[in-house]
Amino acid sequence: AQTVTQSQPEMSVQEAETVTLSCTYDTSESDYYLFWYKQPPSRQMILVIRQEAYKQQNATENRFSVNFQKAAKSFSLKISDSQLGDAAMYFCAYIKGDNYGQNFVFGPGTRLSVLP
Amino acid sequence: KAGVTQTPRYLIKTRGQQVTLSCSPISGHRSVSWYQQTPGQGLQFLFEYFSETQRNKGNFPGRFSGRQFSNSRSEMNVSTLELGDSALYLCASSPGTGVHTGELFFGEGSRLTVL
Repeated sequence: AQTVTQSQPEMSVQEAETVTLSCTYDTSESDYYLFWYKQPPSRQMILVIRQEAYKQQNATENRFSVNFQKAAKSFSLKISDSQLGDAAMYFCAYIKGDNYGQNFVFGPGTRLSVLP
Repeated sequence: KAGVTQTPRYLIKTRGQQVTLSCSPISGHRSVSWYQQTPGQGLQFLFEYFSETQRNKGNFPGRFSGRQFSNSRSEMNVSTLELGDSALYLCASSPGTGVHTGELFFGEGSRLTVL
């Protein structure tokens, strides 16, 4: 069974600084997708960034970028120029490439605080 | 475009009762999936429906069931409630076909408290 691990239950970062959230996963599949989702307090979860396993190039979305190390099964999220609105729970997630049953496997989450 | 709507947002039940939660997906989305979120277990997949058919099911007891209607709206039901069923139940929709972008669109959740 696939598993996703986030070893940092809580992180904090100073406003305008950079922070990196860690994620490791375990799978025997070769075709899969990885995601970072953000869940602000009392608000709905939204997609931050996604990475296809077959792509070597790391995904970037504005201030958010990932470091995808397929051999090491590592998928970290870097947030640059942190803003107060970035404070949230961040979940790393995995899904098989051919899985249309939407069975995402989520990590336990990292609570990010942004200090003014 | 309206987002995913879940009702009710909050509810309190007692052990042994049953509960039905509703989810209206984004217009045009045919896939609806349900997740249970608790502090101890995190986000766990319950099941997914596409075109009124359950395509996938997580590892939950039979007390948890769901269905999807022809308009893609979905309901989940939990019977014989237990204290451990207290959780935030999240519904997520997606197109369900075509290029698998993987993006799920989540509702705000239904927070169930079992006393």
